[in-house]
Parts: sequence; structure tokens; C-alpha cells
Amino acid sequence: QQQVKQSPQSLIVQKGGISIINCAYENTAFDYFPWYQQFPGKGPALLIAIRPDVSEKKEGRFTISFNKSAKQFSLHIMDSQPGDSATYFCAASITGGFKTIFGAGTRLFVKA
Amino acid sequence: DGGITQSPKYLFRKEGQNVTLSCEQNLNHDAMYWYRQDPGQGLRLIYYSQIVNDFQKGDIAEGYSVSREKKESFPLTVTSAQKNPTAFYLCASMLNRGTEAFFGQGTRLTVV
Repeated sequence: QQQVKQSPQSLIVQKGGISIINCAYENTAFDYFPWYQQFPGKGPALLIAIRPDVSEKKEGRFTISFNKSAKQFSLHIMDSQPGDSATYFCAASITGGFKTIFGAGTRLFVKA
Repeated sequence: DGGITQSPKYLFRKEGQNVTLSCEQNLNHDAMYWYRQDPGQGLRLIYYSQIVNDFQKGDIAEGYSVSREKKESFPLTVTSAQKNPTAFYLCASMLNRGTEAFFGQGTRLTVV
């Protein structure tokens, strides 16, 4: 119930392509779904987040798609760039709750 | 600039020694967290604290201890009881529980 399953574990995309990372959850009480970006040797930083009252949120080249009935959400990176090469974590939490549950992470490599 | 400062960036420990990792924040956040990051395992919660002088065990608290004597400080001690302490340790804080986490730059601990 508390897990967030993330796939794929690693991803290689050509420059200019679309990177897609998927996450699935079980606990329907989750109401905050962030994505974090982490560069090597650094701490994660919030990239984009969504709440379940909307099905899609877009910020620049980054889009979250949210499917409440399927309990799935995904990150799409359009026009992927070598600078996007990083590890991406999805997460889920309950606003006011004590814990944030993180996915296992996806290592993205964008080939120039 | 507001943020979370972790020190040191790199730490080497001999087996049998206790070491303390520092985490300081000037964001005026009540909630603070310690995570451990291992390759392919995402972020695992060690301890968290919602207010001063109160903290709770996370999912992997064995071999670790914390204190929260001041709102801005949440040090983590890795004790000799922790069997496999080599990892990347991340401190985080939240303004409101269950929302955006702000991470420090991490401390890489290596047992030699």
C-alpha cells in the first residue's frame, strides 16, 4: 500500500527525443505527486508536482500525466537535452502526513 | 540564501567508530528528515522530526540516532551498530508536511 513503483530503472534517449518515466501507486489517500531531479553528487530538487484533481501539468519541456483511476502517473520530457541527464525520482505523499514515499529512481542519459 | 546545509560533503570512518553528520536549515521549516540513498534503492527514510525535541524512527532507523534540540538543526549519528553504513546521506526539510521536500547536497560516508 505504501510503495511507489517506478520504471524503467534506466533510460537512454537521443537528443531531441521524448523521455518517459512511469510510476504506479496503491494508496488512494495520496494527494501530492512530485518528481525530483538529482544530478550526481547533489541532493534531489523538485522538478514538477501534481495533485489528483488535474490530469496533466506542464512546465516548459516537462509534463506530468496523471491517471487517477489507474493509479499511475508519468513524467514526459520533451526535446530531451544532454543537460537533462540525471536521476529522476517520483514520489507520493499525503498532505499533512508524516512520510513521503519515493520510487526507486530512473537514471536518464540523453545522447548528444 | 535560504536552504539546507549538510557537512561534511565526504566522510571516512573506521569500523567501530561513531560519526555525526550535520544538517542545518534556515528555511524556518518545522519538519526535517534524514534519508539514505543506495544505488538502485531510491531514498529510504531513517528518521524524521516534526518539532523540536521530538523525532520518530523511519523505515531503517537501526544503527542510527538523531537529536532535535534546535529548530534549524537535525544531526544524524551513524553508530558502530550500523552494519553497512557506506552510503549517500541526504537531509531534507518541509514547510508543510507531505509537500515539497528541500534537500541538502548530501554527505557521502565511506567506511574504511
